[in-house]
Amino acid sequence: ETGVTQTPRHLVMGMTNKKSLKCEQHLGHNAMYWYKQSAKKPLELMFVYSLEERVENNSVPSRFSPECPNSSHLFLHLHTLQPEDSALYLCASSQGVQGGFHEQFFGPGTRLTVL
Amino acid sequence: GQNIDQPTEMTATEGAIVQINCTYQTSGFNGLFWYQQHAGEAPTFLSYNVLDGLEEKGRFSSFLSRSKGYSYLLLKELQMKDSASYLCATMDSNYQLIWGAGTKLIIKP
Repeated sequence: ETGVTQTPRHLVMGMTNKKSLKCEQHLGHNAMYWYKQSAKKPLELMFVYSLEERVENNSVPSRFSPECPNSSHLFLHLHTLQPEDSALYLCASSQGVQGGFHEQFFGPGTRLTVL
Repeated sequence: GQNIDQPTEMTATEGAIVQINCTYQTSGFNGLFWYQQHAGEAPTFLSYNVLDGLEEKGRFSSFLSRSKGYSYLLLKELQMKDSASYLCATMDSNYQLIWGAGTKLIIKP
């Protein structure tokens, strides 16, 4: 595997289900991100982890719960979601968080549909 | 507040040149990024500007004017594979990326 991988690629869930999204980066980076991408809207930053510690949480509802067990893996645990949470969830990684130019490498995303 | 504006959609002809504009208002500025995103795929990095001026990289060039809060992405010798969305993003004082909604570029033969 190379770059940033995400599983599953597609997920359909009911509002009462619990599911998890997985992201893995094979680039030796220290920072990982979760973004939400809705149609015709800007990418919304949800969570940022640097060296496995959460450094940013942009007022995301508690029904989204991130977990970063090590610098290569990032999870997004989902429970009691709403239909408006249906979107493409993108994971990204970068060498660092601060200090100027740090290109973010994105995974292919998980297309989530909440029924 | 923080705001990034770019056109929703543009159409251009294969072989031609197209310029995609981006204007921004952000709290602090640590550079501007352009990403390309094909439908159903991950965004991929195209360019980064932190100083005023033009950065050229093959068929793609990116320009920045910090005093005007303005950037553009210039695509030359357009190819059908350039049909994609182009995302403008600025890095704010907290080194977080603030994204525009993207410009969908349609290339016609």
